[in-house]
Amino acid sequence: AQSVSQHNHHVILSEAASLELGCNYSYGGTVNLFWYVQYPGQHLQLLLKYFSGDPLVKGIKGFEAEFIKSKFSFNLRKPSVQWSDTAEYFCAASGGSYIPTFGRGTSLIVHP
Amino acid sequence: DAGVTQSPTHLIKTRGQQVTLRCSPKSGHDTVSWYQQALGQGPQFIFQYYEEEERQRGNFPDRFSGHQFPNYSSELNVNALLLGDSALYLCASSRIAGQGARETQYFGPGTRLLVL
Repeated sequence: AQSVSQHNHHVILSEAASLELGCNYSYGGTVNLFWYVQYPGQHLQLLLKYFSGDPLVKGIKGFEAEFIKSKFSFNLRKPSVQWSDTAEYFCAASGGSYIPTFGRGTSLIVHP
Repeated sequence: DAGVTQSPTHLIKTRGQQVTLRCSPKSGHDTVSWYQQALGQGPQFIFQYYEEEERQRGNFPDRFSGHQFPNYSSELNVNALLLGDSALYLCASSRIAGQGARETQYFGPGTRLLVL
């Protein structure tokens, strides 16, 4: 069965700290990978996506993610977080249908 | 360019009642998908509509049904509501890209349903 696992359910950081959120997927065949963010009171927004090509993907707001096929991972990174990055982050994976299966989400709180 | 819109924003119903939620897709999109997001969980896929037909369905009972209109807007209907149906219901739209592939889904703000 297709599944997505996010290792950290809650992460608390100080401003300027580095961020890495883990994501592992279980999918047969070609996989498309996504990170979505849900800021407090706002709707789900796409941060970045990987379909093919360069496994290091740059997204909006300084976020990036690396697809490591051998590890079935797609971890999200940001070198220096800001208070405005406080949000819920969801990793998702899909096959050819482009219908994503979501992980449980990671709640990130950044202290100013 | 309007994004995905949903109505209503909030809804309170009692067990056994029926509810209809509405979604208008992003301009240029022809496909609508519905998701249920329970508290503390990621969104779960309910079904997807394209060309006014249900094309794919997740693991949800027949109490959940939908419709897509010629202008691509969509409705989600839930019959015989249960307490466990309380959740945020998200609509996402997308369009067909090259070679039949569908592009990334864009999500609306959701409708929060509370079943008492």
